[in-house]
Amino acid sequence: AQRVTQPEKLLSVFKGAPVELKCNYSYSGSPELFWYVQYSRQRLQLLLRHISRESIKGFTADLNKGETSFHLKKPFAQEEDSAMYYCALAGNTGNQFYFGTGTSLTVIP
Amino acid sequence: DAGVTQSPTHLIKTRGQQVTLRCSPISGHKSVSWYQQVLGQGPQFIFQYYEKEERGRGNFPDRFSARQFPNYSSELNVNALLLGDSALYLCASSLIGVEAFFGQGTRLTVV
Repeated sequence: AQRVTQPEKLLSVFKGAPVELKCNYSYSGSPELFWYVQYSRQRLQLLLRHISRESIKGFTADLNKGETSFHLKKPFAQEEDSAMYYCALAGNTGNQFYFGTGTSLTVIP
Repeated sequence: DAGVTQSPTHLIKTRGQQVTLRCSPISGHKSVSWYQQVLGQGPQFIFQYYEKEERGRGNFPDRFSARQFPNYSSELNVNALLLGDSALYLCASSLIGVEAFFGQGTRLTVV
């Protein structure tokens, strides 16, 4: 069965410091992983997906199949990065996501 | 582009009642999925519909049902409401295999 684990519910970092949000998954097939973000009073939106290998707003995430991880990283945190971050695993048919419990990131000025 | 729209935004129901939540996808999106988000948890997958057919179902009781209409809008129906059904219900639409776009959600409170 598919499962996504985000071990940190809360994470605080200072502005300019590096940030890493952890995500581990379990899935029997070939995983397709995503990071979604929810800013205050906004709807859930896609931040990045591992297939595209893009860097969005300075964030990157590398799929490590050996460690079954998909950690989200940014070298220098900004105040506008404060938000709720969800790691998600896509099911077989697309538009069918299995989410972690989320990590609330606070960037301290 | 109005994005994914859900109605109503909030509602309060009594235990044992039935509720219907509505979702209008982005124009051109044929896939709609529903999620339940309990406070402090991530969204949990309930249903996926594509071209009016159910494509996936999460681990929810039969009290939960959904359907998709010819215009690709969708309804989620929950019967015999329990206190534990209180949650934010999210709808997402997409072209298959591409990014999912989420609505603002419907906040359901069962008293």
